[in-house]
Amino acid sequence: GEDVEQSLFLSVREGDSSVINCTYTDSSSTYLYWYKQEPGAGLQLLTYIFSNMDMKQDQRLTVLLNKKDKHLSLRIADTQTGDSAIYFCAESNDYKLSFGAGTTVTVRA
Amino acid sequence: NAGVTQTPKFQVLKTGQSMTLQCAQDMNHNSMYWYRQDPGMGLRLIYYSASEGTTDKGEVPNGYNVSRLNKREFSLRLESAAPSQTSVYFCASTGLAGINEQFFGPGTRLTVL
Repeated sequence: GEDVEQSLFLSVREGDSSVINCTYTDSSSTYLYWYKQEPGAGLQLLTYIFSNMDMKQDQRLTVLLNKKDKHLSLRIADTQTGDSAIYFCAESNDYKLSFGAGTTVTVRA
Repeated sequence: NAGVTQTPKFQVLKTGQSMTLQCAQDMNHNSMYWYRQDPGMGLRLIYYSASEGTTDKGEVPNGYNVSRLNKREFSLRLESAAPSQTSVYFCASTGLAGINEQFFGPGTRLTVL
């Protein structure tokens, strides 16, 4: 959706960290999300952050939220080949989610 | 639990043909959604149903109709398919409790010639 923007492609070497960035517009969103889509499959929730938090860590994943700049990022530590996928940032609005265009992450050996 | 199921997985239509995409969920969720996914455009909401008995337009409703048949099922109909409707269609559902996680089906890949 046009309210959520993210870069389209990221190439990263196996073992390095990946950082995917996203900007959103709805400051009233209670939660912000990162979804992962593997080839030929639907989206699955990867992680989320509550809007009153600045950071959330979940194993190899770190989510950073800058509410002032409406900027959200996802860092994947020690990127593996299984992390190759499309990653979508999303913001909540009543019953609905608005998704970014998705960032295709390619992990090279 | 099967989660969210969609049929068919693939479909090829000729311009002007009609078809219905089926979606069902077994998680007792109140809200259901239909999205289309196109390269470089992410997921765009076509229609949604906040609860059984209600449906509302999303971002790109033109050329589509929906039916919330019961709490489990939410179908999407193309009355007269056009090449611009070539896309991958996803159904999703949520119970709206907690973090409002949406659960997605595996998708239907539709080609309109």
